[in-house]
Formats: sequence, C-alpha cells, structure tokens
Amino acid sequence: GAGVSQSPSNKVTEKGKDVELRCDPISGHTALYWYRQSLGQGLEFLIYFQGNSAPDKSGLPSDRFSAERTGGSVSTLTIQRTQQEDSAVYLCASSLRPPRGDEAQYFGPGTRLLVL
Amino acid sequence: DAKTTQPNSMESNEEEPVHLPCNHSTISGTDYIHWYRQLPSQGPEYVIHGLTSNVNNRMASLAIAEDRKSSTLILHRATLRDAAVYYCILRDVYKLVFGAGTILRVKS
Repeated sequence: GAGVSQSPSNKVTEKGKDVELRCDPISGHTALYWYRQSLGQGLEFLIYFQGNSAPDKSGLPSDRFSAERTGGSVSTLTIQRTQQEDSAVYLCASSLRPPRGDEAQYFGPGTRLLVL
Repeated sequence: DAKTTQPNSMESNEEEPVHLPCNHSTISGTDYIHWYRQLPSQGPEYVIHGLTSNVNNRMASLAIAEDRKSSTLILHRATLRDAAVYYCILRDVYKLVFGAGTILRVKS
C-alpha cells in the first residue's frame, strides 16, 4: 500500500517568507508525527497529533512554527518568517494506533527546506 | 529520556552477518527497544523492536540481554543495500529520540 507522502520534496525560499509543508499519512493511521533533521545533526521531535489534536507541541523550536491536522488525515507544518537556521529536512511519520511503546512509526521521504 | 550508546561506525563484508551493539544501562522496565535505519537521502525506516525476549522478523533479529542493559541488532547476511545509519532507540510513549546512530558500511 501507499506509504507516507510529503510535499514538496524540495523547497527553496528566501529569508522572511512563510512556507507550508504537507504530510499525507498512511490511510487509517491515527497518529502523526513531525521531526526535523538539520545538516550534521540528528533527528529531533517537533510535534505529534492524535486525531486532530496535538497533545504535545513541546518540540516546536519557536512560535514561528505551527502545525495542524484536519479530518484526522493530512497535516500541514507552517513556518512563518523563515530564518536560515530553519534549513533542514522535515520528516513526517505516522502510526496505526495511538502512541504506545511497541508501536512502529512509518516515515515519509521528507521535505528538504533551504532558506536563503 | 533514557539514553543509548552505539559505536560511531562499523564495517562489514557483503553476504556476512553483522552484529550492531547498543548499550542502554538506564533502561526502565517499560521501555521498548526500537531499531530504525536511515538510508542515504531517505526517511528513517522501522526495522524491529522488542521488550524482553529476542525477536525475529524478515529484516533482522534483535537479541536483548537478560538484564536489558544492552541489545544487538543482527543482520544475517549484509547486502550493499543495508548500508545505512542504524539507530537504537528506547521508545518514549509517543516520540522517538534519535541519537547519532551507527554508520554501517558494507564492502563488496
């Protein structure tokens, strides 16, 4: 079946512009996660959704970052007034059931964001 | 978050088994041990997970020490396509906390 898809695959923007990154989870998956991988750094957790609600937004780096999920499916991560340090690969993952220790997460290919 | 320790890199020959170690001495009784891998320019890929008993699936085997303070991911026959960064993660309830992982190089 279809995996997690993300769009765009690449995005180049100018400093100060807003960007929207989209994630389509695996059909039927109830939980959705966003992570970020900066050049030379590890993956860091940003936010997770259970259904349309986001119980934990603690990983969002600043108030310029926001995310929403509609219809329990598609999610959008928005970065306002982008800065060069926002350049990274933004990864989305989904899992079938609400988060549990034994639940696998399935990742998309990521969106590579470059802020000039 | 409970931490894991992995070697920075390992090298294997093609068609030979690979044993990737992970230390997690501060593991709690409810932490699951997860392994993911990331191939170049791709998102992470789930490999396997376990709690106390050894686990096998089509991709790999996971051997967990009796005291759960260490584990080993076993690739039975490494191929060039297995060259990736392998992450050993103690699963928090909903988020994965990635460390630096082990870079596995496979030689033909």
